[in-house]
Amino acid sequence: DTEVTQTPKHLVMGMTNKKSLKCEQHMGHRAMYWYKQKAKKPPELMFVYSYEKLSINESVPSRFSPECPNSSLLNLHLHALQPEDSALYLCASSPKSGPDTQYFGPGTRLTVL
Amino acid sequence: QKEVEQNSGPLSVPEGAIASLNCTYSDRGSQSFFWYRQYSGKSPELIMSIYSNGDKEDGRFTAQLNKASQYVSLLIRDSQPSDSATYLCAVNGVRGGADGLTFGKGTHLIIQP
Repeated sequence: DTEVTQTPKHLVMGMTNKKSLKCEQHMGHRAMYWYKQKAKKPPELMFVYSYEKLSINESVPSRFSPECPNSSLLNLHLHALQPEDSALYLCASSPKSGPDTQYFGPGTRLTVL
Repeated sequence: QKEVEQNSGPLSVPEGAIASLNCTYSDRGSQSFFWYRQYSGKSPELIMSIYSNGDKEDGRFTAQLNKASQYVSLLIRDSQPSDSATYLCAVNGVRGGADGLTFGKGTHLIIQP
């Protein structure tokens, strides 16, 4: 089973709101990722967690704050977002760190008003 | 800066024919190569992974890798209308631990019934 779950499926928020996206996997994977995908564009890497430690931050604005409470969970906290942050946010996991197959969750469609 | 190049298409192929998708990458240090299929509004779904030079076959799909030419391809035999989607080529290197994927812009494949 290679299932990664994400909640919520859809989220609409105002620019002053604070919200969180949640990602979960129970495959024992030790690396988890956040990607952002705008319409008709490929996914772009935001953050990488390896063994629950943040290992890569692709110069993402501080209004996006990742958190990895344990090896199965990954959160993305959102605060003071802009309309241009509207996108599909994808979570992925891989069995171990380093080059390895990544499996994607269904994504959260975020709209910022 | 890693770059992955794909022809965006659309690539139109008759049903039952072979679809050939191509991808080139810039970073010679890249170690792992993936093809993902993405339907409109959905998340990327892994089709094939390939790590060493040569061909790798899985059902109707064959991935080909040539590291000397920095080239990776995907062949889809006996194309079906359900194969109509965007195909994303993705490359993974090594950055001292878990690495994220760098995606090409994707090739939009249309299988004509």
